Amino acid sequence: QSALTQPRSVSGSPGQSVTISCTGTSSDVGGYNYVSWYQQHPGKAPKLMIYDVSKRPSGVPDRFSGSKSGNTASLTISGLQAEDEADYYCCSYAGSYNVVFGGGTKLTVL
Amino acid sequence: QVQLVESGGGLVKPGGSLRLSCAASGFTFSDYYMSWIRQAPGKGLEWVSYISSSGSTIYYADSVKGRFTISRDNAKNSLYLQMNSLRAEDTAVYYCARDGYGDYGGDYWGQGTLVTVSS
Repeated sequence: QSALTQPRSVSGSPGQSVTISCTGTSSDVGGYNYVSWYQQHPGKAPKLMIYDVSKRPSGVPDRFSGSKSGNTASLTISGLQAEDEADYYCCSYAGSYNVVFGGGTKLTVL
Repeated sequence: QVQLVESGGGLVKPGGSLRLSCAASGFTFSDYYMSWIRQAPGKGLEWVSYISSSGSTIYYADSVKGRFTISRDNAKNSLYLQMNSLRAEDTAVYYCARDGYGDYGGDYWGQGTLVTVSS
């Protein structure tokens, strides 16, 4: 199972919005509404930010939102803050007893 | 509060074995599916294995199938990963994660345990 495709890096200034894409196939992202997004700061464990494509766990700011169109899922962060600088990973169920992650995107807040 | 604490990592020679444990607390462990996910140094996340709440359904990534075995002991609130025939490419931080939303992801993660495979 191939990894989902994410941009290696994105950047934005405080207060701006950024969108991170996650492209898969009809066998994973496009085939199921089981897409999740994780934030990981250096040396820390990943933290769930979005599940089921667009749902936010309790405690995650509403500046974080998720969506999906066809085989591509997206994470949008609005009102960028310095603490949002981190690595972000998407994840999708891929059927046939498989789960696949994206390669990760480094978000830099300028 | 939900806590997941991994242990059992360390240095092992190629071809060797290691058993990882994940001690869970703060929730009803037997109600949740659980996963192991790993991260090689400086690399991205890689899903390893997934087990249902009862242990009756198990998934493995192709990269570990036939070498790793996931299991759980609901009476001890513990998740395990038996790793055999270890290779250099298995070197990684191994995280256990709880699937709180039934979407094959993880709503809570442990702090991870480092496995290094080297001669």
